[in-house]
Amino acid sequence: ETGVTQTPRHLVMGMTNKKSLKCEQHLGHNAMYWYKQSAKKPLELMFVYSLEERVENNSVPSRFSPECPNSSHLFLHLHTLQPEDSALYLCASSQDPSGVGYEQYFGPGTRLTVT
Amino acid sequence: KNQVEQSPQSLIILEGKNCTLQCNYTVSPFSNLRWYKQDTGRGPVSLTIMTFSENTKSNGRYTATLDADTKQSSLHITASQLSDSASYICVVTSGYSTLTFGKGTMLLVSP
Repeated sequence: ETGVTQTPRHLVMGMTNKKSLKCEQHLGHNAMYWYKQSAKKPLELMFVYSLEERVENNSVPSRFSPECPNSSHLFLHLHTLQPEDSALYLCASSQDPSGVGYEQYFGPGTRLTVT
Repeated sequence: KNQVEQSPQSLIILEGKNCTLQCNYTVSPFSNLRWYKQDTGRGPVSLTIMTFSENTKSNGRYTATLDADTKQSSLHITASQLSDSASYICVVTSGYSTLTFGKGTMLLVSP
C-alpha cells in the first residue's frame, strides 16, 4: 500500500445527485492532488493543494468542488455531473509540490459512473 | 506545447520474454522523467526517475534509459512475469513542478 487511501472505491450516481469523494494520506506530506483518468487519455490534473491552500486549478468545471480541511485529508464534492464525467478519479500526495524530483504517491482511485 | 507520446499503445508478450516500451517527449525545460506502473484498479506506482545527466537506471527487472538529446526514453522489462501485466505511464517534469503525462502502454503478459 502507498499510504494514500480513497473512499469509496466505486460510485454510481445520477446527474442530479450530490456526492463526495474522500482521500486521506498517512505519509506526512504537505501537498495533495486530484486527477481524472479517462480511458485512452493521459491523466488530467484537476486540483493541487499545498499546505491546505489551493495553488492550481486547471479550468475544472464548477460542478467539481474540492475541499482540503488539513494536510492529511482531501475531498472532491460532486454535483449535477454529466455522463462524460465518468472516469477514475485519483488522489495523490507529495512532500513538496515544487522542486525538482519530488514524487507523487497515488491512491487506488474511485471509479465513478454517472448515469 | 508540452507533449509525451508513448508507444506501442498496447502489447502482448509471452511470460519469460523481454519487451521494450518507448516514450518520446517535447517538454521544456526538462527536469526529470519517471516511469509509473499502474495495475488494474490501482493508482500508479513509481518505478524509476531519471534526471538530465542520467542515461540508465535499473529497478530489478526494469531498466529505463534516457537520451536527452533525442528526447527519448525506453523502459525495458526482462524475463517478464504475469504480474508485469499493467499500464506503464511515462511522466515528464518541466521546470519545477509541471507534469506532463503520456497515455500509457497497456502490457499483457500471457502464460
